[in-house]
Amino acid sequence: GAGVSQTPSNKVTEKGKYVELRCDPISGHTALYWYRQSLGQGPEFLIYFQGTGAADDSGLPNDRFFAVRPEGSVSTLKIQRTERGDSAVYLCASSLGANTGELFFGEGSRLTVL
Amino acid sequence: QKEVEQNSGPLSVPEGAIASLNCTYSDRVSQSFFWYRQYSGKSPELIMSIYSNGDKEDGRFTAQLNKASQYVSLLIRDSQPSDSATYLCAVAPFGNEKLTFGTGTRLTIIP
Repeated sequence: GAGVSQTPSNKVTEKGKYVELRCDPISGHTALYWYRQSLGQGPEFLIYFQGTGAADDSGLPNDRFFAVRPEGSVSTLKIQRTERGDSAVYLCASSLGANTGELFFGEGSRLTVL
Repeated sequence: QKEVEQNSGPLSVPEGAIASLNCTYSDRVSQSFFWYRQYSGKSPELIMSIYSNGDKEDGRFTAQLNKASQYVSLLIRDSQPSDSATYLCAVAPFGNEKLTFGTGTRLTIIP
């Protein structure tokens, strides 16, 4: 596809459930990022992949959050035992590579935990 | 103190006037600076990047950077209603892709 694709666009789940959010980056982009944005706030960094490996996962809030990118393309953000405070828009972005700062964002996955 | 601070606004500017958006950052090792625009309900998109002190112009947009004062600004000339959006300031250390965003300034251009 032409842009970063994220699925699902909306996810409603119950407290304690497990969710997976998927990101398909722009073809040829080696760097992939996950951010989280709450209402009225800027995007909050979660994790960054360069290729298959997590180059920086310092933003993951706790061990309930985990992300993978097994083949260096599609990435999945996994949240275990969801809590109401996890409700936010989860944004995925990709870029051509190192040091550009030019992130191309997907439209996000809105997660609501009831 | 937040790493990247912006006035949340809203900032209202008449159509055709200059909109001035400001951002300060706390980490002196920051080397890369970006302005992203985010329309309501949409994802952020990059509009300007700046790495050196001084001004950088691109069309109606001018980014200004003062590393000594740890200050970045964005000027929008001849403001149009389509410029109404939230503007996010982001900073990163050199060689590090981890962008830290401010909370954004909501700009409204009044026709």
